[in-house]
Amino acid sequence: QVQLVQSGAEVKKPGASVKVSCKASGYIFTNHAIHWVRQAPGQRLEWMGYINTGIGNTEYSQKFQGRVTITSDTSASTAYMELSSLSFEDTALYYCARDWSHWNDYWGQGTLVTVSS
Amino acid sequence: EIVLTQSPGTLSLSPGERATLSCRASQSVSNTYLGWYQQIPGQAPRLLIYGASSRATGIPDRFSGSGSGTDFTLTISRLEPEDFAVYYCQQYGSSPRTFGQGTKVEIK
Repeated sequence: QVQLVQSGAEVKKPGASVKVSCKASGYIFTNHAIHWVRQAPGQRLEWMGYINTGIGNTEYSQKFQGRVTITSDTSASTAYMELSSLSFEDTALYYCARDWSHWNDYWGQGTLVTVSS
Repeated sequence: EIVLTQSPGTLSLSPGERATLSCRASQSVSNTYLGWYQQIPGQAPRLLIYGASSRATGIPDRFSGSGSGTDFTLTISRLEPEDFAVYYCQQYGSSPRTFGQGTKVEIK
């Protein structure tokens, strides 16, 4: 069965960076892109970007351009999202999600990133 | 970017009743690029509807989607206990992909 398992919760100070992992299983990793979506407390879901795991190209939301880097390791069937220059507003639950015909059919369990001084 | 506005913010209904949720886009969205997700508290979102009206795998037929242009609707014909959740519309026709703010369907 398809599963996306994310790394554990993180607490970071303002200005720091965080890197969240998303390990895929149950399907051929390079056949489906991986998206990253975040949800701040009480806010709507927010798309951050995605990686084509087959060829490695990425697309990012303009809002996060320059601060977010999405990568993947095909040998480990794992995608990564790194967000730099963290501020309090980056406190959120971060999800990875598999792409299926441009939609997201499987999601990770979410990783809580808390930015606190 | 395309802003999606959902209404109402909260819908209070009883099991067995019909739920009608609205999603309005700030500019026209092709049907192909409009979908709906369900999120139960503490869980990740689940894809319900894609292409405005196609049900995702395993989604019961009490869920249906319709609409075009800037106005889209998600209908739940008869609410089951497991349907009380938050519902989000999403578009991917224009980057960045955007989501609505959600409609909470709660038990009356």
